[in-house]
Parts: sequence; C-alpha cells; structure tokens
Amino acid sequence: ETGVTQTPRHLVMGMTNKKSLKCEQHLGHNAMYWYKQSAKKPLELMFVYSLEERVENNSVPSRFSPECPNSSHLFLHLHTLQPEDSALYLCASSQVDLAADTQYFGPGTRLTVL
Amino acid sequence: TQLLEQSPQFLSIQEGENLTVYCNSSSVFSSLQWYRQEPGEGPVLLVTVVTGGEVKKLKRLTFQFGDARKDSSLHITAAQPGDTGLYLCAGTTSGTYKYIFGTGTRLKVLA
Repeated sequence: ETGVTQTPRHLVMGMTNKKSLKCEQHLGHNAMYWYKQSAKKPLELMFVYSLEERVENNSVPSRFSPECPNSSHLFLHLHTLQPEDSALYLCASSQVDLAADTQYFGPGTRLTVL
Repeated sequence: TQLLEQSPQFLSIQEGENLTVYCNSSSVFSSLQWYRQEPGEGPVLLVTVVTGGEVKKLKRLTFQFGDARKDSSLHITAAQPGDTGLYLCAGTTSGTYKYIFGTGTRLKVLA
C-alpha cells in the first residue's frame, strides 16, 4: 500500500449509531489531519495530530472524537451524528518540519447520516 | 484571518481551449500547492511551489507563484475532457499546521 488510505469508502449510519473512520499513511509523515468537505463549501479542518498529540481542534462538536494511536494511524469516532454531518471526510498527512511541507490526501469516506 | 480566493468559481470550456485559474491572498505563504479533485475522491496533488516567481510545468499545466508569494496561477493549454474536476489551491507557512485552502474552481471541459 502506498500513500494515504481510508476505510470505509462509503458509510451510511443512523443518528443513534456509533461508527469509526480509519486512516493510514504509508509516507513516514509526522502529522495527520481530518477535514470535512461539504457540497459548495471549502475544506474545513477538523483536527490535527503531530507526533500523536492533538495540536488543533477547530471547534468541532464532541460527537466527533479523534484518536491517533501512532504516527501512521488516525481514527475518527462518530456517535449521535446529525443529518447535516453528511459529507466527505478526508484524511491527510504531511511532514511539518520540511520547508515545503505538502499535504497528501486519502480518497475520503463518503458519510451519509439518516 | 487568512483567506485564499480562487477565480473563476466555475468554468465550462470546449476541448482545445486555454484557460487560467487564479488564487489570490493578502497573506504571504512559504509554499503553495495545487490539487485536482474528482467527485467522491480526495484531492490529488499536482504541484508545490516554494520560491517567489517560480514557474513549474506539468505537461499542459503551467503553475506560477507570485513574486511576493501571495498569489498563484494555473494555466492549462489545449484543455481536454480529462482535465475536468475541482481545482484547489492551498497555502501554508512552514513549521505550522495551518493549510489555508482556496474556495475552488470547478472546471468542465466539453468534448
């Protein structure tokens, strides 16, 4: 496997369900990110982890709970979501200490909340 | 608040035409990336530019970073239907976790 992978690619869940999104990066990067992309809106940064510590939390509701067990894996735990949380959830990674650090994205998880 | 404005927002052109997409900000960035995204997929990196005034070419795509590192442009020569997609620019400041994404340009190239 190369680059950034995400599973599942598609997820449909009810408002009372609990599910998790998984992201894995194979690039040896030291930072990982969760973004939300809704139709007709710019990418919204949700969380940033650097060296497995959360360094950014952009006022995200507590029904989204991130977890970074090591530098290669990132999870987003979901519970009691709302229909407006339906979106494409993107994971990215980067090497922050480079002069031209660049984010590389996974293919995303298309989430639909019923 | 750092913002990146892209223009145009939408562009529909015929195959073979040329086009330019702009990415503008009042902020200075240490580097700027261009991505292309297809529906239901993640953004795919096209290029990173670092030096003010830098020009990079990727086949029919030409990227330029402004001298002051506040703006960038993407020029496509002889567009093809395969160029269809959402083009995103993103600026960053080195050593931070801040990536500012542009509003996006949705391009459709008609055969």
